[in-house]
Amino acid sequence: DTAVSQTPKYLVTQMGNDKSIKCEQNLGHDTMYWYKQDSKKFLKIMFSYNNKELIINETVPNRFSPKSPDKAHLNLHINSLELGDSAVYFCASSQLQGSSTQHFGDGTRLSIL
Amino acid sequence: LAKTTQPISMDSYEGQEVNITCSHNNIATNDYITWYQQFPSQGPRFIIQGYKTKVTNEVASLFIPADRKSSTLSLPRVSLSDTAVYYCLVGSLNTNAGKSTFGDGTTLTVKP
Repeated sequence: DTAVSQTPKYLVTQMGNDKSIKCEQNLGHDTMYWYKQDSKKFLKIMFSYNNKELIINETVPNRFSPKSPDKAHLNLHINSLELGDSAVYFCASSQLQGSSTQHFGDGTRLSIL
Repeated sequence: LAKTTQPISMDSYEGQEVNITCSHNNIATNDYITWYQQFPSQGPRFIIQGYKTKVTNEVASLFIPADRKSSTLSLPRVSLSDTAVYYCLVGSLNTNAGKSTFGDGTTLTVKP
């Protein structure tokens, strides 16, 4: 059973389109995260939700909008995609907010043409 | 937030012991040190975590000196499959203590 699963695994789309990435965790964790990993492998946190409430919102363009329908799901919607949005997006979860013990999904590779 | 500094890359050969050091001069009293391993096309995976002295599990050992301003991940007898990016992370285990920030990672390449 996959602990943190995200779909799709690959996403190829054109500039200007709107797309969504879904994430689900079956660990019963209270906190979920979205990270962006660029081509240099730097992992940067984008958002953190605790029990469906937004906790961390780093300097991310407002074209990115996370949505948490329940504490087991955290989806990421991106409007008006730009070339610079090409990256791998990772979803993660942890038992407690801000915890350094996090479980990651396998990522969604987003490529903008 | 405690910033971490790691070597960008390291090379090793199969069967050798590999030590990767992470500097975290501003570590806070409540902070733990956690190491993650990331293979290509996968998410980071928890390897080991410690607060002070030495921690050992079936995968690695973690050495933390008394001042806790650095830590060393030790991988015994590496194999080709240990080729990965290793991230050092310093942060609290519990809530309301800020957030944990990943360092830039060390790319370990194990050669035959």
